[in-house]
Amino acid sequence: KNQVEQSPQSLIILEGKNCTLQCNYTVSPFSNLRWYKQDTGRGPVSLTIMTFSENTKSNGRYTATLDADTKQSSLHITASQLSDSASYICVVEREYGNKLVFGAGTILRVKS
Amino acid sequence: GAVVSQHPSWVICKSGTSVKIECRSLDFQATTMFWYRQFPKQSLMLMATSNEGSKATYEQGVEKDKFLINHASLTLSTLTVTSAHPEDSSFYICSARGSRSDSKLSGRLGDTQYFGPGTRLTVL
Repeated sequence: KNQVEQSPQSLIILEGKNCTLQCNYTVSPFSNLRWYKQDTGRGPVSLTIMTFSENTKSNGRYTATLDADTKQSSLHITASQLSDSASYICVVEREYGNKLVFGAGTILRVKS
Repeated sequence: GAVVSQHPSWVICKSGTSVKIECRSLDFQATTMFWYRQFPKQSLMLMATSNEGSKATYEQGVEKDKFLINHASLTLSTLTVTSAHPEDSSFYICSARGSRSDSKLSGRLGDTQYFGPGTRLTVL
């Protein structure tokens, strides 16, 4: 079954600290994996997109990793800011038809 | 990145009325558009997929007569919620997919989906 599982479900960290969010998937055939940030009441905004051959990709303070062998990905946020408070969604796109399989998201709250 | 807009950003309507939501791709031609619904604290759920000039394909459990989708051009798709009821209150998000051959999308996974900002529908 094509699934994307994220952990933790929610996370609270202090401003300035780092954190890592996890994503495991069983989606096949695999096309690419993306991480999105979704602020409350807004549409998802793409942070990173990685294909099968990419192991890591950075976007500012966000760094995503992908292990296609173990079907795991992580999103590392460095020096967190209050504005990082949002839901982070891991999404895997299937090949042939481009259907997206969504994870349930990790709700991150950054406290001052 | 590619820009997708939605209008309106929020709407409040009375039960029994119909509401139309627009989704536009602003800087590329969207051969396919997707409509999602998101309930509070839940992830996005695909409602239907529409290709320009053809009928939409609805996901299981989504009433095609209630959620009318029109994709009349390569830059515009509309979702009409007919005879809306309070249980239709939700956050509706569209996404648009272009073509790898679109030069504006080259190098950015041209056939991937780009999301709109969403429309909050509240039915009283």
